[in-house]
Amino acid sequence: EPEVTQTPSHQVTQMGQEVILRCVPISNHLYFYWYRQILGQKVEFLVSFYNNEISEKSEIFDDQFSVERPDGSNFTLKIRSTKLEDSAMYFCASSSRDRPTYEQYFGPGTRLTVT
Amino acid sequence: DQQVKQNSPSLSVQEGRISILNCDYTNSMFDYFLWYKKYPAEGPTFLISISSIKDKNEDGRFTVFLNKSAKHLSLHIVPSQPGDSAVYFCAASYSSNTGKLIFGQGTTLQVKP
Repeated sequence: EPEVTQTPSHQVTQMGQEVILRCVPISNHLYFYWYRQILGQKVEFLVSFYNNEISEKSEIFDDQFSVERPDGSNFTLKIRSTKLEDSAMYFCASSSRDRPTYEQYFGPGTRLTVT
Repeated sequence: DQQVKQNSPSLSVQEGRISILNCDYTNSMFDYFLWYKKYPAEGPTFLISISSIKDKNEDGRFTVFLNKSAKHLSLHIVPSQPGDSAVYFCAASYSSNTGKLIFGQGTTLQVKP
């Protein structure tokens, strides 16, 4: 069964450093997402991406964040200058958005720890 | 922003009995609802969904009920099994947007053998 994969599973970085989180969505999916979950809190939407551009972003997704689909398979989230409050689980998701269902399929997540 | 709420942080049921997980929402623009299950150190796994044009959707042991007038949905698991022990998230979306999911806080279900 196709699945979304994410690397690395755990990333430790120092405050102010850049990190890139990588995702390989399901191959025939067209819509890609990043979410995050701070420990003990709900899963929060960060950004959606379709047709090689951002289609929607949340207030969390400020200028420090960027996304890219550098080739036909990878989807990346970059944080330019990490802050302590960026520590969270980051989940990539993808969807084919076939009507009438809109299920998104999530990867296992990358745990980002900013020290 | 509490557009989707799961007011019960935890639920404990006996194996074989019914588990009922509840979710309320405030935004009447939502027209698609989903339930996800999450184990520790894993991503959310899609369980079942329902469109706002329906009031019930069933898939095996899982049934989701939607009450639009009350802005309430529930997930029924019958019979409950110990392997169902996990965190369950309710999520909502509207079909006219980019597919962004808005999640509730989650309910931890424990099914005791």
